[in-house]
Amino acid sequence: GAVVSQHPSRVICKSGTSVKIECRSLDFQATTMFWYRQFPKQSLMLMATSNEGSKATYEQGVEKDKFLINHASLTLSTLTVTSAHPEDSSFYICSAVNSGGAGDEQFFGPGTRLTVL
Amino acid sequence: SQKIEQNSEALNIQEGKTATLTCNYTNYSPAYLQWYRQDPGRGPVFLLLIRENEKEKRKERLKVTFDTTLKQSLFHITASQPADSATYLCALDMPGGSYIPTFGRGTSLIVHP
Repeated sequence: GAVVSQHPSRVICKSGTSVKIECRSLDFQATTMFWYRQFPKQSLMLMATSNEGSKATYEQGVEKDKFLINHASLTLSTLTVTSAHPEDSSFYICSAVNSGGAGDEQFFGPGTRLTVL
Repeated sequence: SQKIEQNSEALNIQEGKTATLTCNYTNYSPAYLQWYRQDPGRGPVFLLLIRENEKEKRKERLKVTFDTTLKQSLFHITASQPADSATYLCALDMPGGSYIPTFGRGTSLIVHP
């Protein structure tokens, strides 16, 4: 089956630093990837849609200058949380749609737990 | 805007019984509805997708129904096992036919041995 990996799985950083999270589709190409954020006992909230070779589309209320997204290849999208603050602490999950598939199914990564001290 | 309602209280059942989880939505009827499983500290795993013109879909011990009149989907796990314990999320597509789903908060299922 289609596999999506995320790295790192867990990161702790100091307030004011930047953190990069990688999302990779391991056995398929993904023109489109999505970035979600999930707070404890809450639903997944879509942050942005990442399109290979073009600018990401951000959801309302998500600061594009704070959450930088780069989708440089068909198998890799990165999310950089710039100048992180404690309120950015959350569970970040990416997903990818198989470009060669039916287009309905998203494959999710295992998530990255970010803790900002 | 679309509102997705899943029971926030955990569902506790005994091993071997059938677990039934509910997903209700308001406003527009989605073109399709998906169910995912999420374990603690992990990303969601896709289980089943049911389209608006389908009443029921099955996969092994799983069954999903979709009632567009009631605006409700039911998710059943038959012969439940402790390994089925997890949070189950339902997700609906957004208007316009995109494949970006909107997720409910999920319902926690606990299967007791």
